[in-house]
Amino acid sequence: DGGITQSPKYLFRKEGQNVTLSCEQNLNHDAMYWYRQDPGQGLRLIYYSQIVNDFQKGDIAEGYSVSREKKESFPLTVTSAQKNPTAFYLCATLRGANYGYTFGSGTRLTVV
Amino acid sequence: QKEVEQNSGPLSVPEGAIASLNCTYSDRGSQSFFWYRQYSGKSPELIMSIYSNGDKEDGRFTAQLNKASQYVSLLIRDSQPSDSATYLCAVNVAAAGNKLTFGGGTRVLVKP
Repeated sequence: DGGITQSPKYLFRKEGQNVTLSCEQNLNHDAMYWYRQDPGQGLRLIYYSQIVNDFQKGDIAEGYSVSREKKESFPLTVTSAQKNPTAFYLCATLRGANYGYTFGSGTRLTVV
Repeated sequence: QKEVEQNSGPLSVPEGAIASLNCTYSDRGSQSFFWYRQYSGKSPELIMSIYSNGDKEDGRFTAQLNKASQYVSLLIRDSQPSDSATYLCAVNVAAAGNKLTFGGGTRVLVKP
C-alpha cells in the first residue's frame, strides 16, 4: 500500500536534547512538507522540499533542521534551540497543485 | 489580517441538519482550495477540493467557491454524529511554491 509513515508516534524530549522525527513515503511524490500543530490551532509550515537535495524554510523554521538525501525520506530534527517544541508534527507529500496534501499519521512530541 | 480565516466554533448542529462552514482568504492569487476533516488526535484527511467558481458536490459534502469575494464554504448535508470533527480550510497559492496555508479550523459538533 502506498502511503506516508511517520515514526515514532509519541516522542519525549528532555531539555537541551536534539530529537529526529522520521518521515518516509512510497507514493513517489517529489514534494514533502513538515507542519506543526498546537492544541486548538491550525497547521504552521516548518520546512518543505520540492526535490531531492533541496529544501526551503517555512514560516517557523527557527530551531528545526531537515535533510532530503532521498526522494522517499524527509527527516525533521528538533534542536535544543527550539524553546517550545511540544506539539503535534505532521509530514505531508504533494502529488500536484490541484490534489492537496496527503498526510502521515503524525508524531506527538512532548518535552519532559 | 490572517491569510486564511475560519470561525473556530464550535458549530453545534442537530443530527440530520445542514452544517455550513465558511472560510475567507486574503491572497487573490490563490488557485486551489481544500477542505480537510481532522478527528481529535488524528491527522487531517482531505474531503473536498475546488478550483473554479461555483459548487462542487461529493456525496453529502458541497464545496462552494467565490473568488471575487474571496471565500470558500463547505456544506455538510444530513449531518451525522460521525461528522463531529474539526474542519480545516487550506489554500494553495501556486506562485508561492505549492504550499498550503491553513485556517485555524472550525470545530463541528453533531448532536443526536
